Amino acid sequence: NAGVTQTPKFRVLKTGQSMTLLCAQDMNHEYMYWYRQDPGMGLRLIHYSVGEGTTAKGEVPDGYNVSRLKKQNFLLGLESAAPSQTSVYFCASSGLDRAGNTIYFGEGSWLTVV
Amino acid sequence: AQKITQTQPGMFVQEKEAVTLDCTYDTSDQSYGLFWYKQPSSGEMIFLIYQGSYDEQNATEGRYSLNFQKARKSANLVISASQLGDSAMYFCAMRGPWSSNTGKLIFGQGTTLQVKP
Repeated sequence: NAGVTQTPKFRVLKTGQSMTLLCAQDMNHEYMYWYRQDPGMGLRLIHYSVGEGTTAKGEVPDGYNVSRLKKQNFLLGLESAAPSQTSVYFCASSGLDRAGNTIYFGEGSWLTVV
Repeated sequence: AQKITQTQPGMFVQEKEAVTLDCTYDTSDQSYGLFWYKQPSSGEMIFLIYQGSYDEQNATEGRYSLNFQKARKSANLVISASQLGDSAMYFCAMRGPWSSNTGKLIFGQGTTLQVKP
């Protein structure tokens, strides 16, 4: 099983450039999440989705947009990258009800904005 | 609003001893779930243990147990017989009612645990 796959794993961007991070899960999960993790800190929720076609803001949504056009994919977009968005990005997914007791994480995407 | 607090930035423990990592939370929901994750230096997030708000017994998974005190809104992780491989960052997380359409999952700031030989 692939589980949760994030692409790309590493990217260097110039300030002002745009990019999209893709999160794909093959477990038919309803919930999907995007987090960022800065050095020595916890995971902060950027945006999340509770089902296909839905998105909601998390704790730090500014500067990011998301889309969930297909149930298995959750895209995170940076329209105009800033150095403050240099971080490690994690995607996660989980099912409904008792299946939500287990949350699956991707391996992370390292993004550097210069 | 939901909030998770881990007040111990760093902890040391001697190998083979037990250690408790603190986690307090705040929520107005009656139904919620609490998680602990381990993040080694390699960066992946490893699930350790889960406690539902209506679970009457404290969760246990091998050497990990969750000391759940609902009235005090605390969900401390207890690691028994610490091993060198337990050295990592540990995160407490909380999720709202999994039967609702909220599904928001938030994390605490983390505690770095170092196990001394």
